Order: sequence, then structure tokens, then C-alpha cells
Amino acid sequence: AQKITQTQPGMFVQEKEAVTLDCTYDTSDPSYGLFWYKQPSSGEMIFLIYQGSYDQQNATEGRYSLNFQKARKSANLVISASQLGDSAMYFCAMREANTGNQFYFGTGTSLTVIP
Amino acid sequence: NAGVTQTPKFQVLKTGQSMTLQCAQDMNHNSMYWYRQDPGMGLRLIYYSASEGTTDKGEVPNGYNVSRLNKREFSLRLESAAPSQTSVYFCASSEGVAYNEQFFGPGTRLTVL
Repeated sequence: AQKITQTQPGMFVQEKEAVTLDCTYDTSDPSYGLFWYKQPSSGEMIFLIYQGSYDQQNATEGRYSLNFQKARKSANLVISASQLGDSAMYFCAMREANTGNQFYFGTGTSLTVIP
Repeated sequence: NAGVTQTPKFQVLKTGQSMTLQCAQDMNHNSMYWYRQDPGMGLRLIYYSASEGTTDKGEVPNGYNVSRLNKREFSLRLESAAPSQTSVYFCASSEGVAYNEQFFGPGTRLTVL
């Protein structure tokens, strides 16, 4: 079974609107971390936001927030007030405490911001 | 701090040639990783090293070998390159606990003819 599933290969959003990128995960480990990365067309991987499995509140970092629904095993990324520079690939990833060092990545969502 | 550095940035090989991709990090991280990224496939783990002196296979290890030379350096070797190994290769490092993110190098674009 896939550890991380991103079901939206491509998304479009109007500039200044909010957009939600979906991510579901599969684990039996009670302790894990969830991460989102951005990959612009230049190719580098940029860390955006982290959510721990025991965190009570949803993580936020500037215009990024993580909608964490533990029972549903989902960790959706919300980008508010989209900007043209947000056009990129976005990857969801998970790290389990019991496997410690392996990160599992989804296949990514390509986001295009329309002016 | 340079973070994670990778060399070379680009490489073209002929089938059957060998090469080593170099990776170094200056963040004193215990864990280091090699991924390949192919269109529509996301990042797939080739090998990782949880700490100096240890290496483990990831999802797609066939055709690759690695060496954790010291805490800073983690190299990836292709002994006999094949066209199926045409990809972008990323090295990453992290602290060894679940809440620490990975830091990525800039990537190496490898083409095997």
C-alpha cells in the first residue's frame, strides 16, 4: 500500500484565492511526522511546513497551513492568498518514528496560479 | 553554511560507464539519503544512511551502491550505467528523529545514452 497518496496531479487557482492540496497517509505507527515540500521549476526542494502526530493544533507557517485530520489520516496543505510564485510542484511526505529514518513521499501535485 | 552540496550538477554517460555522485552536508546531521526523481513518480528512495558507518536499501536500490565516507559525506555509485537510470538525483540530510525535516541538495541531472 502507498504510504502517501496525493490524488491531484494538477491544480489551478486564481491569484489571491486560497487552494487546498490533498494528502492522505497510511501508517500504524502512533508517532510520525508529516511534511510538505515545494519544488519550483528551478528544481530545488523547499521545506514548507511540518505537523507531528501528537500536535493538538494544526501547523501554520505564514500563508501555509496544514489541515490535519488524524482520524481520516489526511494532512492537506492550504495556501492562502495565492501568488504567482506559488506555481510549483508540491510534495507531501511522512516520517515514522519506528522506522525513524525513512521518508515516504507522494507523487506530487502541480499547482498553477493564474493571474 | 552551504547546507547540502552535490557534485556534479549535470552528467551525461554512455551505457556501461560508471560514475560516482558526491554529496556533503555541513549541518552535522546523522542521517543522509539518496533519491531519484522521475516524471510522475515523485521521489523514490535509493539508499539511506541512518548514521556514520551504516547504510540501508530504500525502495529502488538495484544498480546502485553507496558509501558513507564519514559523517559529512555520502556518495552514490553507478557501476554500469543504464538508460533506465536517467533521472534527477537528490541527496538529503536530516537529524534522526521523526519531527525533523530533510534538507535537500540542488540535485544532479543524469542522462545515460
